[in-house]
Amino acid sequence: QKEVEQNSGPLSVPEGAIASLNCTYSDRGSQSFFWYRQYSGKSPELIMFIYSNGDKEDGRFTAQLNKASQYVSLLIRDSQPSDSATYLCAAGGATNKLIFGTGTLLAVQP
Amino acid sequence: DAGVIQSPRHEVTEMGQEVTLRCKPISGHDYLFWYRQTMMRGLELLIYFNNNVPIDDSGMPEDRFSAKMPNASFSTLKIQPSEPRDSAVYFCASSRPGDEQFFGPGTRLTVL
Repeated sequence: QKEVEQNSGPLSVPEGAIASLNCTYSDRGSQSFFWYRQYSGKSPELIMFIYSNGDKEDGRFTAQLNKASQYVSLLIRDSQPSDSATYLCAAGGATNKLIFGTGTLLAVQP
Repeated sequence: DAGVIQSPRHEVTEMGQEVTLRCKPISGHDYLFWYRQTMMRGLELLIYFNNNVPIDDSGMPEDRFSAKMPNASFSTLKIQPSEPRDSAVYFCASSRPGDEQFFGPGTRLTVL
């Protein structure tokens, strides 16, 4: 069974710190990886996607991919209370189908 | 663009009743996805369509669930008969090929 694993958390970080969210996937055929943010009671919204090994930066967010280790991470610099949400990692293959992890709850303490 | 539209936003029904959830994807998106989200199982893909054709329904839990997409701007997910364990938030999402999926606001279903 193709799986995407995440620690459920909660991950608690102080305001201004770096939050590190991690994800592993089982299907070596996965080609694309997505991080979605979901506020309580709302729908998921895309933060970043990454296809190639290495780092991809967008503002305060950096996605990291290591295909050899089947590992994806999301770093949030200068964390803000508004970043408090559940972060969903998803892996996609040749089709548009995504497999989602169960999400990590992030709590940024003021 | 209005984004993905789902209705109803909330549905409360009794066990054994038929439930129909509706979705209007973003115009021009070829792919439409139905997901179910629960605390225990997270976000699960139930079925997805490409150009109105069902491509993968392996996530549909059982025969009580069915989905249709009669045209490019409308899809339904039906549960008949409904059971308490079907209580969840059901999301519809749409995308262009190879692009991000945009999620609708979801339908919170409660089966008593």
